[in-house]
Amino acid sequence: SQQGEEDPQALSIQEGENATMNCSYKTSINNLQWYRQNSGRGLVHLILIRSNEREKHSGRLRVTLDTSKKSSSLLITASRAADTASYFCATDYRAGSYQLTFGKGTKLSVIP
Amino acid sequence: DGGITQSPKYLFRKEGQNVTLSCEQNLNHDAMYWYRQDPGQGLRLIYYSQIVNDFQKGDIAEGYSVSREKKESFPLTVTSAQKNPTAFYLCASSPGRSRTTEAFFGQGTRLTVV
Repeated sequence: SQQGEEDPQALSIQEGENATMNCSYKTSINNLQWYRQNSGRGLVHLILIRSNEREKHSGRLRVTLDTSKKSSSLLITASRAADTASYFCATDYRAGSYQLTFGKGTKLSVIP
Repeated sequence: DGGITQSPKYLFRKEGQNVTLSCEQNLNHDAMYWYRQDPGQGLRLIYYSQIVNDFQKGDIAEGYSVSREKKESFPLTVTSAQKNPTAFYLCASSPGRSRTTEAFFGQGTRLTVV
């Protein structure tokens, strides 16, 4: 079963604009992670936010976590054409294991 | 260079054949994973291993088999019992010694049934 659901499924913006993607999940988690996937390639880890954190920054990325709403958002500021990719959230809700459960992703297109 | 290597990048299988996908890591990670990705879909967990000589089924293990004889290696065999094997297969590893940390992914193997 897939724990996370990203929203929107696809997003198209102009270069320089901000991109916001959302992730909702169903059960309690230890942490939530965001990954990026360029077409036909493996996933690359972007950022991890723990369940006791509310916000985290890394360069042009800002992630928020609201455990009461079981949701997270990823904001990419001042987007670039090179940010074009699919973005996935992943959660580790299964107690006692190191499994990550991924959503279906948001496909981001940044138009130059 | 430290990392995780999958081979081959492309693989073609005739119906009824078993094929094995290779995954090797030199990150000294304890945990390794196999995921399947279908077009426009997220990743679904096939098998995972937290320690040598031990592995667990994921959500879609039917038709697949794995082994973990060495810490560095976690090969996946797609058997003839897997009815719809055409997909993109991703191997990943993580340190696995504490709470979940980031996973490192290989570049994937695209399997096509011909």
